[in-house]
Amino acid sequence: EPEVTQTPSHQVTQMGQEVILRCVPISNHLYFYWYRQILGQKVEFLVSFYNNEISEKSEIFDDQFSVERPDGSNFTLKIRSTKLEDSAMYFCARTAVMNTEAFFGQGTRLTVV
Amino acid sequence: GESVGLHLPTLSVQEGDNSIINCAYSNSASDYFIWYKQESGKGPQFIIDIRSNMDKRQGQRVTVLLNKTVKHLSLQIAATQPGDSAVYFCAENIYGGGFKTIFGAGTRLFVKA
Repeated sequence: EPEVTQTPSHQVTQMGQEVILRCVPISNHLYFYWYRQILGQKVEFLVSFYNNEISEKSEIFDDQFSVERPDGSNFTLKIRSTKLEDSAMYFCARTAVMNTEAFFGQGTRLTVV
Repeated sequence: GESVGLHLPTLSVQEGDNSIINCAYSNSASDYFIWYKQESGKGPQFIIDIRSNMDKRQGQRVTVLLNKTVKHLSLQIAATQPGDSAVYFCAENIYGGGFKTIFGAGTRLFVKA
């Protein structure tokens, strides 16, 4: 199955700035996710999104993070005030139905300076 | 609890040999396990999955074995090729309001020509 498309592929931002990461999944899929991977570490779950609502979020996903699907296609992750420790690869993923394998995008490398 | 871990951080094999990557999990209620492959600069890619009502599943050159008694999962790659060089993650889907994928730490597979 095709992957999701993520933009940008790399973003550099100043600490304290807001960033928006975008994902374009297959339009008829309902289950979306954001994960992050700090360099050299494992992939960590951030949030799951179903039927235009957050269904679960991790401890990492604090008040600085938000997700939405504003136009019914793009799925976005916003970080309001970036910190140095937010530097990581951020992956969008989708599943066709619940509790099946996830299909990941190529990721956005976020560098906070 | 939510814990999926790997026994070895790196594995080096000769081209043409078989590879075995091992994984332990701690949540006895887990019922769905997945192996992902991650090449450098890319997102995780689904390889093979197995549900808890099975103990073995085969794909093309890959086999996953599940031992629920000792909570152990393994990925076997037959006739390993240079293109198999990557980081391999075992993962489990767990439910907490929505399904999420919990990844292990990863094993880097090196294939020597």
